[in-house]
Amino acid sequence: GAVVSQHPSRVICKSGTSVKIECRSLDFQATTMFWYRQFPKKSLMLMATSNEGSKATYEQGVEKDKFLINHASLTLSTLTVTSAHPEDSSFYICSATVREQFFGPGTRLTVL
Amino acid sequence: SQQGEEDPQALSIQEGENATMNCSYKTSINNLQWYRQNSGRGLVHLILIRSNEREKHSGRLRVTLDTSKKSSSLLITASRAADTASYFCATDAQGGSEKLVFGKGTKLTVNP
Repeated sequence: GAVVSQHPSRVICKSGTSVKIECRSLDFQATTMFWYRQFPKKSLMLMATSNEGSKATYEQGVEKDKFLINHASLTLSTLTVTSAHPEDSSFYICSATVREQFFGPGTRLTVL
Repeated sequence: SQQGEEDPQALSIQEGENATMNCSYKTSINNLQWYRQNSGRGLVHLILIRSNEREKHSGRLRVTLDTSKKSSSLLITASRAADTASYFCATDAQGGSEKLVFGKGTKLTVNP
Protein backbone atom coordinates (compact mmCIF):
# COMPACT_ATOMS: atom_id res chain seq x y z
CA GLY A 1 0.00 0.00 0.00
CA ALA A 2 0.90 3.66 -0.24
CA VAL A 3 3.23 4.96 2.44
CA VAL A 4 3.14 8.36 4.08
CA SER A 5 5.89 9.50 6.40
CA GLN A 6 6.08 12.33 8.88
CA HIS A 7 9.11 13.98 10.34
CA PRO A 8 9.84 14.44 13.13
CA SER A 9 7.90 11.82 15.05
CA ARG A 10 8.35 13.75 18.27
CA VAL A 11 9.39 17.30 18.99
CA ILE A 12 9.72 19.27 22.19
CA CYS A 13 10.17 22.99 21.93
CA LYS A 14 10.09 26.10 24.04
CA SER A 15 7.15 28.44 24.05
CA GLY A 16 7.50 31.12 21.37
CA THR A 17 9.50 29.06 18.92
CA SER A 18 8.30 27.74 15.57
CA VAL A 19 8.18 24.09 14.64
CA LYS A 20 8.01 22.58 11.16
CA ILE A 21 6.48 19.18 10.52
CA GLU A 22 6.96 17.43 7.20
CA CYS A 23 4.56 15.05 5.52
CA ARG A 24 5.80 13.01 2.58
CA SER A 25 4.14 10.52 0.29
CA LEU A 26 6.94 8.05 -0.35
CA ASP A 27 5.78 6.01 -3.30
CA PHE A 28 3.05 8.06 -4.90
CA GLN A 29 2.18 11.59 -5.85
CA ALA A 30 -0.57 13.29 -3.92
CA THR A 31 -2.30 16.36 -5.21
CA THR A 32 -4.09 16.74 -1.90
CA MET A 33 -2.85 16.32 1.63
CA PHE A 34 -4.78 16.86 4.82
CA TRP A 35 -3.58 17.95 8.25
CA TYR A 36 -5.35 16.77 11.39
CA ARG A 37 -4.91 17.50 15.05
CA GLN A 38 -5.67 15.05 17.82
CA PHE A 39 -5.85 15.84 21.52
CA PRO A 40 -5.26 13.06 24.05
CA LYS A 41 -8.04 10.50 24.07
CA LYS A 42 -9.93 12.52 21.47
CA SER A 43 -10.73 12.14 17.82
CA LEU A 44 -8.98 13.63 14.82
CA MET A 45 -10.05 17.12 13.86
CA LEU A 46 -9.34 18.31 10.34
CA MET A 47 -7.27 21.48 10.36
CA ALA A 48 -6.70 22.17 6.69
CA THR A 49 -6.64 20.82 3.19
CA SER A 50 -3.36 21.30 1.36
CA ASN A 51 -3.27 21.34 -2.44
CA GLU A 52 -0.05 21.29 -4.41
CA GLY A 53 0.76 24.67 -5.84
CA SER A 54 -2.06 26.56 -4.18
CA LYS A 55 -2.99 28.00 -0.83
CA ALA A 56 -4.28 25.69 1.83
CA THR A 57 -7.94 25.71 2.80
CA TYR A 58 -8.39 25.99 6.53
CA GLU A 59 -11.28 24.68 8.57
CA GLN A 60 -13.35 27.07 10.61
CA GLY A 61 -11.60 28.11 13.78
CA VAL A 62 -8.10 27.21 12.62
CA GLU A 63 -5.75 30.20 12.52
CA LYS A 64 -4.00 30.27 9.17
CA ASP A 65 -1.28 32.59 10.45
CA LYS A 66 -0.63 30.25 13.34
CA PHE A 67 -0.51 27.05 11.33
CA LEU A 68 1.33 27.72 8.09
CA ILE A 69 0.93 25.06 5.43
CA ASN A 70 3.07 24.76 2.35
CA HIS A 71 2.55 22.12 -0.33
CA ALA A 72 5.61 22.64 -2.45
CA SER A 73 5.53 19.44 -4.44
CA LEU A 74 3.32 16.44 -5.14
CA THR A 75 5.11 14.49 -2.44
CA LEU A 76 5.70 17.03 0.32
CA SER A 77 3.54 19.20 2.52
CA THR A 78 4.78 21.04 5.59
CA LEU A 79 2.95 22.37 8.62
CA THR A 80 4.69 25.09 10.60
CA VAL A 81 3.37 25.90 14.03
CA THR A 82 4.46 29.48 14.57
CA SER A 83 5.12 31.02 17.96
CA ALA A 84 4.11 27.81 19.63
CA HIS A 85 2.38 27.86 23.00
CA PRO A 86 1.68 25.03 25.44
CA GLU A 87 -1.91 24.81 24.20
CA ASP A 88 -0.53 23.86 20.76
CA SER A 89 0.81 20.66 22.27
CA SER A 90 -0.95 17.89 20.44
CA PHE A 91 -0.60 14.97 18.05
CA TYR A 92 -0.54 16.15 14.43
CA ILE A 93 -1.36 13.67 11.68
CA CYS A 94 -1.22 14.19 7.95
CA SER A 95 -2.77 12.18 5.17
CA ALA A 96 -2.20 12.06 1.44
CA THR A 97 -4.79 11.08 -1.10
CA VAL A 98 -4.70 8.99 -4.21
CA ARG A 99 -8.21 7.59 -4.57
CA GLU A 100 -8.22 7.15 -0.79
CA GLN A 101 -6.50 8.76 2.17
CA PHE A 102 -3.29 7.27 3.50
CA PHE A 103 -2.23 8.47 6.92
CA GLY A 104 1.16 9.30 8.28
CA PRO A 105 2.33 7.98 11.66
CA GLY A 106 1.82 11.33 13.37
CA THR A 107 4.01 13.87 15.13
CA ARG A 108 3.81 14.45 18.87
CA LEU A 109 4.43 18.12 19.62
CA THR A 110 5.11 19.21 23.18
CA VAL A 111 5.51 22.91 23.87
CA LEU A 112 7.07 23.74 27.21
CA SER B 1 -20.82 19.22 11.25
CA GLN B 2 -21.44 15.59 10.55
CA GLN B 3 -19.05 14.28 13.11
CA GLY B 4 -19.81 10.70 13.88
CA GLU B 5 -20.47 9.46 17.34
CA GLU B 6 -19.10 6.12 18.38
CA ASP B 7 -20.51 4.12 21.17
CA PRO B 8 -19.45 2.83 23.49
CA GLN B 9 -16.63 5.24 24.24
CA ALA B 10 -14.74 2.44 25.93
CA LEU B 11 -15.14 -1.31 25.81
CA SER B 12 -13.28 -3.93 27.80
CA ILE B 13 -13.65 -7.62 26.94
CA GLN B 14 -11.86 -10.94 27.35
CA GLU B 15 -9.86 -12.58 24.62
CA GLY B 16 -12.06 -14.73 22.43
CA GLU B 17 -15.15 -12.60 22.90
CA ASN B 18 -16.69 -10.51 20.17
CA ALA B 19 -16.52 -6.72 20.23
CA THR B 20 -19.16 -4.53 18.68
CA MET B 21 -18.71 -0.82 18.16
CA ASN B 22 -21.30 1.52 16.74
CA CYS B 23 -21.06 4.78 14.84
CA SER B 24 -23.69 7.33 13.94
CA TYR B 25 -23.40 10.24 11.58
CA LYS B 26 -25.53 13.16 10.57
CA THR B 27 -25.51 13.82 6.84
CA SER B 28 -25.64 11.84 3.60
CA ILE B 29 -22.44 10.05 2.70
CA ASN B 30 -20.69 8.29 -0.15
CA ASN B 31 -18.62 5.97 2.01
CA LEU B 32 -17.98 5.12 5.63
CA GLN B 33 -14.64 3.84 6.77
CA TRP B 34 -13.30 2.30 9.93
CA TYR B 35 -9.81 2.93 11.20
CA ARG B 36 -7.74 1.58 14.03
CA GLN B 37 -5.22 3.55 16.04
CA ASN B 38 -2.78 2.10 18.51
CA SER B 39 -1.84 4.43 21.33
CA GLY B 40 0.28 7.32 20.09
CA ARG B 41 0.40 5.99 16.55
CA GLY B 42 -1.06 6.79 13.16
CA LEU B 43 -4.22 5.37 11.66
CA VAL B 44 -4.57 2.00 10.01
CA HIS B 45 -7.36 1.65 7.49
CA LEU B 46 -9.53 -1.36 8.24
CA ILE B 47 -12.46 -1.37 5.88
CA LEU B 48 -14.55 0.85 3.63
CA ILE B 49 -18.24 0.38 3.04
CA ARG B 50 -20.06 2.27 0.33
CA SER B 51 -23.43 3.88 0.82
CA ASN B 52 -25.10 1.30 -1.41
CA GLU B 53 -23.69 -1.61 0.59
CA ARG B 54 -25.26 -3.01 3.73
CA GLU B 55 -22.61 -5.38 4.98
CA LYS B 56 -18.99 -6.12 4.36
CA HIS B 57 -16.53 -8.66 5.74
CA SER B 58 -12.78 -8.69 6.01
CA GLY B 59 -11.22 -11.49 8.00
CA ARG B 60 -12.51 -11.20 11.56
CA LEU B 61 -14.13 -7.86 10.82
CA ARG B 62 -17.74 -7.36 9.89
CA VAL B 63 -19.13 -3.94 9.10
CA THR B 64 -22.75 -3.04 8.60
CA LEU B 65 -24.23 0.18 7.30
CA ASP B 66 -27.78 1.42 7.71
CA THR B 67 -28.14 4.62 5.75
CA SER B 68 -31.76 5.07 6.85
CA LYS B 69 -30.58 5.28 10.46
CA LYS B 70 -27.26 6.90 9.54
CA SER B 71 -25.40 4.32 11.53
CA SER B 72 -22.73 1.67 11.14
CA SER B 73 -21.35 -1.07 13.30
CA LEU B 74 -17.98 -2.78 13.44
CA LEU B 75 -17.85 -6.29 14.80
CA ILE B 76 -14.54 -7.92 15.67
CA THR B 77 -14.99 -11.62 16.22
CA ALA B 78 -12.81 -13.87 18.36
CA SER B 79 -10.91 -10.88 19.72
CA ARG B 80 -7.23 -11.02 20.59
CA ALA B 81 -5.14 -8.97 22.98
CA ALA B 82 -3.48 -7.44 19.90
CA ASP B 83 -6.84 -5.94 18.91
CA THR B 84 -6.49 -3.52 21.82
CA ALA B 85 -6.63 -0.06 20.21
CA SER B 86 -8.95 2.84 19.51
CA TYR B 87 -11.35 2.44 16.63
CA PHE B 88 -12.76 5.35 14.65
CA CYS B 89 -15.36 5.63 11.97
CA ALA B 90 -14.95 8.30 9.32
CA THR B 91 -17.40 9.56 6.76
CA ASP B 92 -17.00 11.58 3.62
CA ALA B 93 -19.61 14.00 2.42
CA GLN B 94 -21.57 13.55 -0.76
CA GLY B 95 -20.54 15.96 -3.47
CA GLY B 96 -17.09 14.65 -4.19
CA SER B 97 -15.28 16.12 -1.21
CA GLU B 98 -12.27 14.10 -0.12
CA LYS B 99 -12.59 15.40 3.42
CA LEU B 100 -13.15 12.85 6.15
CA VAL B 101 -15.03 13.53 9.34
CA PHE B 102 -14.03 11.30 12.20
CA GLY B 103 -16.15 10.01 15.02
CA LYS B 104 -15.04 10.25 18.62
CA GLY B 105 -13.76 6.70 18.71
CA THR B 106 -14.13 3.63 20.87
CA LYS B 107 -11.23 2.52 23.01
CA LEU B 108 -11.21 -1.26 22.98
CA THR B 109 -9.26 -3.22 25.56
CA VAL B 110 -8.98 -6.97 25.08
CA ASN B 111 -7.78 -8.67 28.23
CA PRO B 112 -5.70 -11.84 27.83
